[in-house]
Amino acid sequence: SSELTQPPSVSVSPGQTARITCSGDGLPKKFAFWYQQKSGQAPVLVIYEDYKRPSGIPERFSGSSSGTVATLTISGARVEDEADYYCYSTDNSGDNRGVFGGGTKLTVL
Amino acid sequence: EVQLVQSGAEVKKPGESLKISCKAFGYNFTTYWIGWVRQMPGKGLEWMGMIYPGDSDTRYSPSFQGQVTISADKSINSASLQWSSLKASDTAIYYCARLPFVVVVAGTQYYFDYWGQGTLVTVSS
Repeated sequence: SSELTQPPSVSVSPGQTARITCSGDGLPKKFAFWYQQKSGQAPVLVIYEDYKRPSGIPERFSGSSSGTVATLTISGARVEDEADYYCYSTDNSGDNRGVFGGGTKLTVL
Repeated sequence: EVQLVQSGAEVKKPGESLKISCKAFGYNFTTYWIGWVRQMPGKGLEWMGMIYPGDSDTRYSPSFQGQVTISADKSINSASLQWSSLKASDTAIYYCARLPFVVVVAGTQYYFDYWGQGTLVTVSS
């Protein structure tokens, strides 16, 4: 299966650790990527190749992957981290078609 | 600096045709795939398809195959997304984004790094 499953919502208080999971049968052989989308804005890549952080992304964002589950962790979440988060990987078609998870709304309050 | 600049918002009637564009700056346009992503109102991101401007090789999601056409013009560093007959259900924001690749056990894997600002397409009678 090429589907990626995320929880619809996660809620934490400021300063707490937020963890967002992404489940998919293909993840043991493929990387997971994570995008942050704030209201009214284009998505931004926050984690690539399971755990790498692009330049300019704060260190509180980290990623991991084990078996069929990838996890985005935001340590010491801030109010400005409130956004929709999408995991992404590719399918098994051989044509590199992309697949997004359904998205997780992170509330920090 | 890598930038993708998309064309402006469009308001169309059902049955009309439309072509929106995405102009690339700051990198070699012909050596990266470029893709399109749909976001319907209040919904998540959907992968539509991608094109390699170097040779116009194109891949589509089964959900969008036959519904849209993706093209690229390397002479002007621009990719396009086109509809021949719009439906109300095409109302959405459409993003273009660049696709670098990584090598994995199963081959290569493409992902989006730089994104355009999005183009809002509204189809209403």
